[in-house]
Amino acid sequence: ELKVEQNPLFLSMQEGKNYTIYCNYSTTSDRLYWYRQDPGKSLESLFVLLSNGAVKQEGRLMASLDTKARLSTLHITAAVHDLSATYFCAVDKNAGGTSYGKLTFGQGTILTVHP
Amino acid sequence: GAGVSQSPRYKVAKRGQDVALRCDPISGHVSLFWYQQALGQGPEFLTYFQNEAQLDKSGLPSDRFFAERPEGSVSTLKIQRTQQEDSAVYLCASSPTRITNNEQFFGPGTRLTVL
Repeated sequence: ELKVEQNPLFLSMQEGKNYTIYCNYSTTSDRLYWYRQDPGKSLESLFVLLSNGAVKQEGRLMASLDTKARLSTLHITAAVHDLSATYFCAVDKNAGGTSYGKLTFGQGTILTVHP
Repeated sequence: GAGVSQSPRYKVAKRGQDVALRCDPISGHVSLFWYQQALGQGPEFLTYFQNEAQLDKSGLPSDRFFAERPEGSVSTLKIQRTQQEDSAVYLCASSPTRITNNEQFFGPGTRLTVL
């Protein structure tokens, strides 16, 4: 059974600081997604990582994927209050080995950025 | 450009009632997914459609849950004889093709509360 674990689960950051959220998963996959969720809202796609070594950046967020280590990271640079939200990683892997988009999500990391 | 829409946005049901939740995917999207998100958790996969075919229903928690997509566009998730443990947000997502390098676009969700 595929397990996806994020850490930390809670992250309180000061504005201007840097930090990294980690996402570990238990079986081979080369498709990993990062989503953002604001309270009471749905999921907003941030990054789609499709190969080993993939790195994508958007604004203050940068995501990377190491399929050999089964690890993805979401790095936050110079945090601002607007980044406060819950961040989920999700892995695309069906038990039979084929992939069609069935996502297994991590527990989520609740990020709070304060002055 | 319309995104994924869901209705109703909120539903309160008495235990034992049947409910029907609707999802309108983005026009032309082949793949459609239903997820269940309990409070404070990541979404969990329920079922997957490719056009009108339900190819994976392994995540449906019991035979009280039933989903359909008869014409390959709109989908309905039906829950019979609702129980308190069914209280959650039900998210629908669609994806353009069955090739999984496209991210899923999520709807706003239906928050179901069973009293």
